[in-house]
Amino acid sequence: NAGVMQNPRHLVRRRGQEARLRCSPMKGHSHVYWYRQLPEEGLKFMVYLQKENIIDESGMPKERFSAEFPKEGPSILRIQQVVRGDSAAYFCASSPPSPSPAFFGQGTRLTVV
Amino acid sequence: GQQVMQIPQYQHVQEGEDFTTYCNSSTTLSNIQWYKQRPGGHPVFLIQLVKSGEVKKQKRLTFQFGEAKKNSSLHITATQTTDVGTYFCANSGYALNFGKGTSLLVTP
Repeated sequence: NAGVMQNPRHLVRRRGQEARLRCSPMKGHSHVYWYRQLPEEGLKFMVYLQKENIIDESGMPKERFSAEFPKEGPSILRIQQVVRGDSAAYFCASSPPSPSPAFFGQGTRLTVV
Repeated sequence: GQQVMQIPQYQHVQEGEDFTTYCNSSTTLSNIQWYKQRPGGHPVFLIQLVKSGEVKKQKRLTFQFGEAKKNSSLHITATQTTDVGTYFCANSGYALNFGKGTSLLVTP
């Protein structure tokens, strides 16, 4: 029973490029969360999705960031025209319907050069 | 979402000492979850508390949920170097909202 899978584990992008981060939830989990974490800081909520629906995107920057969780395939966090300030660890978590424990992937470390 | 505040932000103890982190909210929480993140790792679920006044134990870890369901604590007895990491509380309501965490450093 595979856990939450995130890829890539590490991603380097030049300023202005696009970054695509993928998250495959645990089998049977219909809820996906994305979080951003800067070094020595906490987990900042970005977006909460269910299959084909964005439930809460209040933590997502209004520009350049988007997320989806299609009927088939992984959830995608997309960052367009990356800037140095986007460098961070991005974690995905999945769960059954709330309130339930969330299981985290190992994260994608994005570095913008 | 409901905000949860954690204190202290950092704690440095000698191996064998006890450690406690606190999680507080200004509003009543439906439940509280605790996670641990090792340095360089990802958050791992520890426990969920739902009932008022609930106390749960996992070996040297004791978790409490306040009577008013506005606060929670995690107590570690006789810390070990393997306890090093950041402990987060989270409120699972509409979305999963995390506190800023308490980073624990244990010196041998």
